[in-house]
Amino acid sequence: KNQVEQSPQSLIILEGKNCTLQCNYTVSPFSNLRWYKQDTGRGPVSLTIMTFSENTKSNGRYTATLDADTKQSSLHITASQLSDSASYICVVSAQYSGGGADGLTFGKGTHLIIQP
Amino acid sequence: DAMVIQNPRYQVTQFGKPVTLSCSQTLNHNVMYWYQQKSSQAPKLLFHYYDKDFNNEADTPDNFQSRRPNTSFCFLDIRSPGLGDAAMYLCATSRDRARGNIQYFGAGTRLSVL
Repeated sequence: KNQVEQSPQSLIILEGKNCTLQCNYTVSPFSNLRWYKQDTGRGPVSLTIMTFSENTKSNGRYTATLDADTKQSSLHITASQLSDSASYICVVSAQYSGGGADGLTFGKGTHLIIQP
Repeated sequence: DAMVIQNPRYQVTQFGKPVTLSCSQTLNHNVMYWYQQKSSQAPKLLFHYYDKDFNNEADTPDNFQSRRPNTSFCFLDIRSPGLGDAAMYLCATSRDRARGNIQYFGAGTRLSVL
């Protein structure tokens, strides 16, 4: 069964600090992995998308890494800001069937709180 | 400018009273999706349209229906809402099948059932 597990479930850090969120998946055959940011009461917004051949991708202070061999990804946030408080969702896409009819398997997200 | 627009942002309905949620897009994407997201849960796909072709998830209750009258608009109809249907409903679009394309999400409609 295709699964996406994220850790930690929630995280509290001080403003200005760095943090790393983890995503482990068992989706096969793998197509790509996305990280989304979801502010409270809003829809998810895409941060990065990585295919099998990409090891790292950055979007401003967000850097995602992918190890397709170990089926792990991480999202590193540098110099956190109060506006980074949100849920971060890892979504893995299968090449063919697997996951929902959309081919996607969603993680439950990591709830990040940035404290001043 | 918002590319996927959901209305209303908040909807309150009574138990058993039909309700319709609206989604429109300015991206001219082929595919439109409806997800249900409950608190601290991952979004759950209800169904999607590939152009006019409707694709229902096997475990989506019959209580949930959808209409796509044209490329730009898609509606979610809940025929007889129950207390368990209270959730955030997310509309998303993608140019082609989601597995190979970025999905763009709307801001969501928060549904409360009294």
